[in-house]
Amino acid sequence: LAKTTQPISMDSYEGQEVNITCSHNNIATNDYITWYQQFPSQGPRFIIQGYKTKVTNEVASLFIPADRKSSTLSLPRVSLSDTAVYYCLFSGGYNKLIFGAGTRLAVHP
Amino acid sequence: NAGVTQTPKFQVLKTGQSMTLQCAQDMNHNSMYWYRQDPGMGLRLIYYSASEGTTDKGEVPNGYNVSRLNKREFSLRLESAAPSQTSVYFCASEGNTIYFGEGSWLTVV
Repeated sequence: LAKTTQPISMDSYEGQEVNITCSHNNIATNDYITWYQQFPSQGPRFIIQGYKTKVTNEVASLFIPADRKSSTLSLPRVSLSDTAVYYCLFSGGYNKLIFGAGTRLAVHP
Repeated sequence: NAGVTQTPKFQVLKTGQSMTLQCAQDMNHNSMYWYRQDPGMGLRLIYYSASEGTTDKGEVPNGYNVSRLNKREFSLRLESAAPSQTSVYFCASEGNTIYFGEGSWLTVV
């Protein structure tokens, strides 16, 4: 089963940029890298998805190196409402959608 | 959450009782998934279905059965509930991204 590795937790302060890196050594050619955000008592929700290089949307950026064995989610100027658990996983290819333990981000005032 | 509906939202069972969690999506997706999430933990894949009529085991299939009778619906059945199956259950369907239901809170006493 495809597996990803992320830091268990991170702390930040309001207004700072947060970068969360995910390792995925066994990513397949057809896999996209997708990041999800989950608040307590809610299902995960989509943040951003990419295949390689850099992708940016209104809430985040995703950096993927050429070998695609890792990816970095960048959240600019975080606020208290960004406190959540963040998951990276593969999607769209032949791997089952396996979630890792995720990264618990705590944003402090 | 757009397009994925789970029922029931809350359920209390006695040990040994059976029940079925229902999931339906209206986005014409082929792939659907069932996950469980224990307190403070990440999501673990129970079963998935790549298309109508097909199902495959995920990370933690023991104690569960699934049924994908049509493209729209994917149900999860607990034949003989155990306290270890107390958890939050999420259904998801996959298009360009993954869409999650709102979750079903199950307590087995």
